Amino acid sequence: DVKVTQSSRYLVKRTGEKVFLECVQDMDHENMFWYRQDPGLGLRLIYFSYDVKMKEKGDIPEGYSVSREKKERFSLILESASTNQTSMYLCATRRGDRGPNQPQHFGDGTRLSIL
Amino acid sequence: GNSVTQMEGPVTLSEEAFLTINCTYTATGYPSLFWYVQYPGEGLQLLLKATKADDKGSNKGFEATYRKETTSFHLEKGSVQVSDSAVYFCALLSGSARQLTFGSGTQLTVLP
Repeated sequence: DVKVTQSSRYLVKRTGEKVFLECVQDMDHENMFWYRQDPGLGLRLIYFSYDVKMKEKGDIPEGYSVSREKKERFSLILESASTNQTSMYLCATRRGDRGPNQPQHFGDGTRLSIL
Repeated sequence: GNSVTQMEGPVTLSEEAFLTINCTYTATGYPSLFWYVQYPGEGLQLLLKATKADDKGSNKGFEATYRKETTSFHLEKGSVQVSDSAVYFCALLSGSARQLTFGSGTQLTVLP
């Protein structure tokens, strides 16, 4: 089974802090994704990476950055946290070399509160 | 662009009732279609998928058929259980896109 591990289940930070959310996968998947989940809005893609040191913006990248220095780790960074970034953050991975129909595998999520 | 529209929730059913959650999509080309489920406090899990027209995905008693003519992928289950209470997301993957497009999710509560 694919295991996607997010470093924290719950996190509380203050406005203006720099926040790091970490995601680690153990299946050598090429593609990794960061989403945020908000009631009534479903999942919205923030950033994704299809290989080490590669990244692409998703639908809502503003206020976020990412880092992928190693294949198994994909970090989401809130440069200066704001209250409207309070949300559930979900990391996902996907095998990239077997065509477009491969499913994504999700971590359990990090519920982030910005005070 | 691509989009997925799900029926709005929440949906509340009694145990053993029949379930339908509607999903329609807009996409270029021939997308692959997915249903994901999110149990309380957990991330999303793939429930079933279909990769071409008229395919039927099935898992754990749930089914969905890829209908190209109506651009739909409705989720059905003949007899729901309390343990099926969760949020269900319809999603599509289109063409060369590497990322999924999700619907807004439908909360299902099954009462004993």
